[in-house]
Amino acid sequence: GENVEQHPSTLSVQEGDSAVIKCTYSDSASNYFPWYKQELGKGPQLIIDIRSNVGEKKDQRIAVTLNKTAKHFSLHITETQPEDSAVYFCAASTGTPLVFGKGTRLSVIA
Amino acid sequence: EPEVTQTPSHQVTQMGQEVILRCVPISNHLYFYWYRQILGQKVEFLVSFYNNEISEKSEIFDDQFSVERPDGSNFTLKIRSTKLEDSAMYFCASSDVAGSNQPQHFGDGTRLSIL
Repeated sequence: GENVEQHPSTLSVQEGDSAVIKCTYSDSASNYFPWYKQELGKGPQLIIDIRSNVGEKKDQRIAVTLNKTAKHFSLHITETQPEDSAVYFCAASTGTPLVFGKGTRLSVIA
Repeated sequence: EPEVTQTPSHQVTQMGQEVILRCVPISNHLYFYWYRQILGQKVEFLVSFYNNEISEKSEIFDDQFSVERPDGSNFTLKIRSTKLEDSAMYFCASSDVAGSNQPQHFGDGTRLSIL
């Protein structure tokens, strides 16, 4: 079955800097890759997703890139703000169930 | 913005007892899911539900677990004969299209503690 690895597990950046989180997946049949943000005491909130027919998608300060050949995808957050501090999860799917990475705790230092 | 709501937020139960976790999916959504997250581990898929029946389930979802949509709004997860290792966050999610690879929207979870 699918396996998703996520790095780094923790990331600290200065406010205004960029943050990059990377994930790799094992099943070449995976074709849907969402990213979730989880704040303390809350459930995962979908922030951006990408399907395998595109290589990049952008939404304001957030972008996701996908390299199907290498089977990896990345989340890029530019101009980070303190409210970006949270745990971020990547996931991959060949169908209905999402297979999650282990999460990255992002801390944005003011 | 519509959201998935889960109750209770925290459930404490004695080992061996039965628990029912409740979820109200987003009103026009057709696909419903349960996931769980044991402390410090990945979010894991349990089951998906569509058209009043289970459409897919993981190895975790054995005879101890069952799901039900008792009315037009609620979606429940029942865990029988709870064990210590059932302690986890349980998340309900829903999606609005009857098909795969559609965005899944999560609730804030129920923290289940088995004593």
